[in-house]
Amino acid sequence: GDSVTQMEGPVTLSEEAFLTINCTYTATGYPSLFWYVQYPGEGLQLLLKATKADDKGSNKGFEATYRKETTSFHLEKGSVQVSDSAVYFCALRYQETSGSRLTFGEGTQLTVNP
Amino acid sequence: EAGVTQSPTHLIKTRGQQATLRCSPISGHTSVYWYQQALGLGLQFLLWYDEGEERNRGNFPPRFSGRQFPNYSSELNVNALELEDSALYLCASSLGLADQETQYFGPGTRLLVL
Repeated sequence: GDSVTQMEGPVTLSEEAFLTINCTYTATGYPSLFWYVQYPGEGLQLLLKATKADDKGSNKGFEATYRKETTSFHLEKGSVQVSDSAVYFCALRYQETSGSRLTFGEGTQLTVNP
Repeated sequence: EAGVTQSPTHLIKTRGQQATLRCSPISGHTSVYWYQQALGLGLQFLLWYDEGEERNRGNFPPRFSGRQFPNYSSELNVNALELEDSALYLCASSLGLADQETQYFGPGTRLLVL
């Protein structure tokens, strides 16, 4: 079935460092891909998404490109801030096999120190 | 515009009892999804309702059930509670069958089973 694999955390960075969180997926077709962020004590917020190969999603300085050839959707940010500390979830939705459900990765805890 | 709301924020029950969790979607959204975020198990899809009907169900026992009301709000019922049901239950909504791409999440209900 469909699955998402994220790099293991936790990740600890200093402010203004470059961030990469790896995400790869397994699906029989071409799913839509998402990054969600969960701040402490809160629910999930959609960070960005991409619906087809080579699409780039971007928001708040974060970017991710849908790479069909490597089945990846890595999250990047050029300069992280303390306020970016949160748990980041990669997810996919593939209508043909799983309907509207989202399949999530394990989540990656990011801590940014001043 | 109000987001997805959930009540209660916290719920404490004992084994064998029943829990009822409530969700109000974003105005205009007809689809409601339920997910369980249990410690160590990540985010798991529970149920999807659209236009009052159950459209899809995750790999959970029948004691997890729910319904969607004519105003598109939804209830999740968990019968015969077990200790491992302790988790954060997240509700999400989307525009429905016409546009299922983006799910918007509420803050969650934290259920503790003692």
